[in-house]
Amino acid sequence: QKEVEQNSGPLSVPEGAIASLNCTYSDRGSQSFFWYRQYSGKSPELIMFIYSNGDKEDGRFTAQLNKASQYVSLLIRDSQPSDSATYLCAVPPSGGSYIPTFGRGTSLIVHP
Amino acid sequence: SQTIHQWPATLVQPVGSPLSLECTVEGTSNPNLYWYRQAAGRGLQLLFYSVGIGQISSEVPQNLSASRPQDRQFILSSKKLLLSDSGFYLCAWSVGPGFGGELFFGEGSRLTVL
Repeated sequence: QKEVEQNSGPLSVPEGAIASLNCTYSDRGSQSFFWYRQYSGKSPELIMFIYSNGDKEDGRFTAQLNKASQYVSLLIRDSQPSDSATYLCAVPPSGGSYIPTFGRGTSLIVHP
Repeated sequence: SQTIHQWPATLVQPVGSPLSLECTVEGTSNPNLYWYRQAAGRGLQLLFYSVGIGQISSEVPQNLSASRPQDRQFILSSKKLLLSDSGFYLCAWSVGPGFGGELFFGEGSRLTVL
């Protein structure tokens, strides 16, 4: 059974700092990875996905993937209080399954 | 463009009462549909998913049921609610057939059972 592990946090960073959110996964065959952001009381929304080893940048967000170490991370540069949310790592299904695997999420708090 | 609607947004129900949550998707055909529950401070728990009309897969045995009477309509029901059914219920869809990679979530329904 696939597993996706995240530190539940909370991760607290000052405004303007870099927030680093980490995720490890058990299925070495996983090919792609998704990061969702969920504000308190709201539904998750996709913010980043990554397929290839290395870095993928989108504005202040950078996703990093290391398949050899089965490790994916999300970096948020110049963190803002509006980035305070729970960040969910997810792995799409494979082998004919329709069920993605979500981590439990890391709570991020950016304080002024 | 595709949209997903879920209602009601909030409801408070007594123990033992019935439940019906509805979700509809617009702008796509033959989506995969999902019902998740999220207890306070917890992760996403998959309850049901459906890959076609009338096709329902249950992931967690409980007093809830789901139905898909139309291609883009997904309904979550219960005949008698339990206290433990309280939570944030999320409907989601992904591109079908197969799995498109990304889940698109509805706005959620917050259920409190008293």
